[in-house]
Order: sequence, then structure tokens, then C-alpha cells
Amino acid sequence: DTGVSQDPRHKITKRGQNVTFRCDPISEHNRLYWYRQTLGQGPEFLTYFQNEAQLEKSRLLSDRFSAERPKGSFSTLEIQRTEQGDSAMYLCASSLARQGVTSYEQYFGPGTRLTVT
Amino acid sequence: QKEVEQDPGPLSVPEGAIVSLNCTYSNSAFQYFMWYRQYSRKGPELLMYTYSSGNKEDGRFTAQVDKSSKYISLFIRDSQPSDSATYLCAMSRSARQLTFGSGTQLTVLP
Repeated sequence: DTGVSQDPRHKITKRGQNVTFRCDPISEHNRLYWYRQTLGQGPEFLTYFQNEAQLEKSRLLSDRFSAERPKGSFSTLEIQRTEQGDSAMYLCASSLARQGVTSYEQYFGPGTRLTVT
Repeated sequence: QKEVEQDPGPLSVPEGAIVSLNCTYSNSAFQYFMWYRQYSRKGPELLMYTYSSGNKEDGRFTAQVDKSSKYISLFIRDSQPSDSATYLCAMSRSARQLTFGSGTQLTVLP
């Protein structure tokens, strides 16, 4: 399977704990995006990377959230001191952008479902 | 008011029906328009994309964009039970972050 993969698929944690999610994009894709989706809503943009550079962050990304993409390949999203309101599906997507060619097609992974108790 | 509005449904149709799904938006800077399909507890799957106004057809699916009215549509012909899913419209100014509608839940009855 050469699509976007995410790990873990499900995470249950207690309020106040830290959690980290991983995303592996499609191998040739240099852009990577994180979104959050709550029940009955569409995904909401959190942040995106081009290669290892984090180029845009939403105001939804509070200081408890941090994302990294250290080598321009996989990415991690960490949530510190989780709150019940953080319960959601965290989706990762990737796309390809290079000089002269920009793909606006974002391909999503299966998501990590976080439950904070 | 949300930038993208989408009727949440639920929408229930018999197999073989033509389905029409719609979104309206308020930001005139949007120029890339997409439709995603999402099955329960799965990630969104890209169905169609268009740039600016016009129509695009792919098999049983037709996407329409009317920028003057800030209105986009997805038509599904000869709908099948396997089309039962949530359909999300999404749009972007610059091929970076997507702004999604809240999704329309579709059920195609056999």
C-alpha cells in the first residue's frame, strides 16, 4: 500500500497525558498537512509542511500542540496535557509541489481517533 | 457564519437515482474546488477537483462550479448502494489549506 499511513489508528488517553501521532505521507509527496475532524463536521486545517519547513499554522493549533517533520519525510503531531475537547479524528494528508507543478490534490490517511477520558 | 455551508442531510435515495449535492461559500478568493467521499471512520477520499468555474465529468460523477453565485455541485448518476457515504466539499485559495463543508450523509437504498 503506497497511500498515506497513520499510527496509531486509535488512542485512548486520560486527561492531562501527552500523546504523539505519526504520519507517513505518499513517498514522493513533499507537502504534508494535519487536520482535525470532530463528529458531524468536516476536517479543519491545523498546519502544513513543505519538506521539513512548517509554513502555516492555524489559530486552532494552541501552544499544547506541536508538529514536526524533521527529515521532510514522516511527521509527528504531539498534544501535551490533553483535554476532553481534544477528542477528535486527527487526519494527515499529503500532496506534491515542485517548481512549475503544484498539485492541489491532497490525499488523506485513515486518521488517528483520539479519545480523552 | 462558516465560510463553506453544506446541507448535512441525511439524504436517502433509491438505487439508480440521480443525486445532487451542493455547497455555498462566502470567500470569493477560493479558486480550487474539490469533492471528497468519506466512509464511516475512514479518511476522506478525493473524488473530483476543479479549478475556477466550469464542469468536470468523471464516469458517473459530474462536478460543477459557479463562481458568480459562489455555488458548487456534485451530481451522481445511476447511484449505487456503495455510494452510501458522507460527501464533503472542500475549497482552497492557493493549493495549500483546504476549507471543508460539514458534509452531507448519503444513503442509497437497494
